[in-house]
Amino acid sequence: EDQLLESGGHVVQPGGSLRLSCAASGFSFSTYAMNWVRQAPGRGLEWMSTISGSGASTYYADSVKGRFTISRDNSKNTLYLQMSSLRGEDTAVYFCTKDKFRLIRSPFESWGQGTLVIVSS
Amino acid sequence: DIQMTQSPSSLSASVGDRVTITCQASQDISNNLNWYQQKPGKAPQLLIYDASDLQAGVPSRFSGSGSGTDFTFTITSLQPQDIATYYCQQYDAFPRTFGQGTKVDIK
Repeated sequence: EDQLLESGGHVVQPGGSLRLSCAASGFSFSTYAMNWVRQAPGRGLEWMSTISGSGASTYYADSVKGRFTISRDNSKNTLYLQMSSLRGEDTAVYFCTKDKFRLIRSPFESWGQGTLVIVSS
Repeated sequence: DIQMTQSPSSLSASVGDRVTITCQASQDISNNLNWYQQKPGKAPQLLIYDASDLQAGVPSRFSGSGSGTDFTFTITSLQPQDIATYYCQQYDAFPRTFGQGTKVDIK
């Protein structure tokens, strides 16, 4: 069974930085693309970023491009999201997700429980 | 970017009712559409993928249909445990985009 466990959420000041982690288990981590999806309080779901299984390809939402960096360490079965120049509108629960298929187009089959990031002075 | 327009934004129905939610894409996405269920305080759960395929372990009262730009999600007989917000999502292109959600509750 797929297991995804996010960590690293915290209260951070505007302009600050934070790194989120997602520890994965129960599947062959390096063969699946992984994603970050966020949800602001009381709002809907917003896709943030995707990284291929090898880490060679990455994709970002315009709202975070240039500020957030997705990466992975396949030797540690861990996904990361490095967040910088944080703004109040980045306040959200951040979910790590695993693709269902080993294809460029795939649903998000498995989700972590989420980690809360609050950007506030 | 592909815009996903979901309706209604909320609905109230009785136990046993048939519930239908629609999702319209701003351009042709073939069948590259998913439906997720999110219960309060929980992570979303994949229910339907490829527009009409039922994810393993999901009850058969949930179904999806459509292709191109127009999609429908149906609960054939609403149960109390189905109280949740439902989201459509396209994965035809980046950026992946979600509908705004439909909150379903019991009348």
